[in-house]
Amino acid sequence: QSALTQPRSVSGSPGQSVTISCTGTTSDVGASNLVSWYQHHPGTAPKLIIYYVSNRPSGVPDRFSGSKSGNTASLTISGLQAEDEAAYYCCSGTGSLTWLFGGGTKLTVL
Amino acid sequence: EVHLAESGGGLGQPGGTLTLSCAASGFTFNTYSMNWVRQAPGKGLEWVAYISNDRTTYADSVKGRFTISRDTAKNSLYLQMNSLRADDTALYYCARDANWSFDFWGQGTQVTVSS
Repeated sequence: QSALTQPRSVSGSPGQSVTISCTGTTSDVGASNLVSWYQHHPGTAPKLIIYYVSNRPSGVPDRFSGSKSGNTASLTISGLQAEDEAAYYCCSGTGSLTWLFGGGTKLTVL
Repeated sequence: EVHLAESGGGLGQPGGTLTLSCAASGFTFNTYSMNWVRQAPGKGLEWVAYISNDRTTYADSVKGRFTISRDTAKNSLYLQMNSLRADDTALYYCARDANWSFDFWGQGTQVTVSS
């Protein structure tokens, strides 16, 4: 069970858009739509922002969107705001009721 | 309001045992599956274990050493950690399962394994 691959860091200016990729294999990301994304500010609990590849929980702004192509899932944050600065993690469920997280991406808002 | 509160962390000896607890409130506990997720210092999130009403699963890194359980009468989730190793040092979160994702998380409890 190897972790999903994410870029270690991305950055953008307020108002801009950034995209974070998450690459897995045909056994996880590519196998189903069980991809979720989490926002994690230091010292707080992680927060679910996307589930089933592209669905947003109630209360998550529509600036956050998800997609998937083949073995790679993506999180796009548009209209960047200062409070978006955080670590972002992708996660994929597998058919055997196990989950794999990505290594995490640190988003810096310039 | 959904609330998850972990406890039981602390200093554990290599080869020793610690048991974590997670008290759940604000939802019907016995209708949800639950998970433990951890974060080692300076590292990312790692899924550890899952429990439903009829099944448990584990990450390879803890299989055979950790046991997840629940007491629906007490609205509590547990993680018994045996044969502790230094690389089990982490902040351990309990998280509610919904739509194959983790929709609510606790604040975590710190486990440090050291002699």
